[in-house]
Amino acid sequence: AQSVTQPDIHITVSEGASLELRCNYSYGATPYLFWYVQSPGQGLQLLLKYFSGDTLVQGIKGFEAEFKRSQSSFNLRKPSVHWSDAAEYFCAVGAGGYQKVTFGIGTKLQVIP
Amino acid sequence: DAGITQSPRHKVTETGTPVTLRCHQTENHRYMYWYRQDPGHGLRLIHYSYGVKDTDKGEVSDGYSVSRSKTEDFLLTLESATSSQTSVYFCAISEWSSVSTDTQYFGPGTRLTVL
Repeated sequence: AQSVTQPDIHITVSEGASLELRCNYSYGATPYLFWYVQSPGQGLQLLLKYFSGDTLVQGIKGFEAEFKRSQSSFNLRKPSVHWSDAAEYFCAVGAGGYQKVTFGIGTKLQVIP
Repeated sequence: DAGITQSPRHKVTETGTPVTLRCHQTENHRYMYWYRQDPGHGLRLIHYSYGVKDTDKGEVSDGYSVSRSKTEDFLLTLESATSSQTSVYFCAISEWSSVSTDTQYFGPGTRLTVL
């Protein structure tokens, strides 16, 4: 069965600092990987996804993520965080097709001035 | 944004009463999903649908049923609500093709409180 681990439940960064959110997955074949962001009281918005090709994926809002098969990781990065990035971030893994996607428990990002 | 609406957006009900949540999409996507979101658990799949009248169970389906009589509507029913079903419920949709993965797009959520 597939699974996702987001080891950091809360992260606090200063505005303008760089950000890296960790995600490790477990899946037997090549995974489909996603990062979603959820602002308070809102639904989930897709930031980026990986399913093949270049292992460095660019997303919306200046985010990127790198797929590292050897480490079973798909970490999310942003070079300079803005106050509006404060939200909860979810990593997810899927098998492709319409099979279910498994979500991590989320990382809540706080941005301080 | 994907055209997904959920109704109601907020509901307070009492233990033992039936509750139906509605998800409506305007994207004509084939696949629809119901998740619940709880602190410390992320999102967990309740049920999903892969076509009209075709549904299957997810990992936390006990106490829930679903129906899909039209492509655009996916209903989630709690036959007899319990306090453990207090949660935020999200609907999602996806379409799959041979050149793309099944990216799921989410609705705004329904906050359900069972007293």
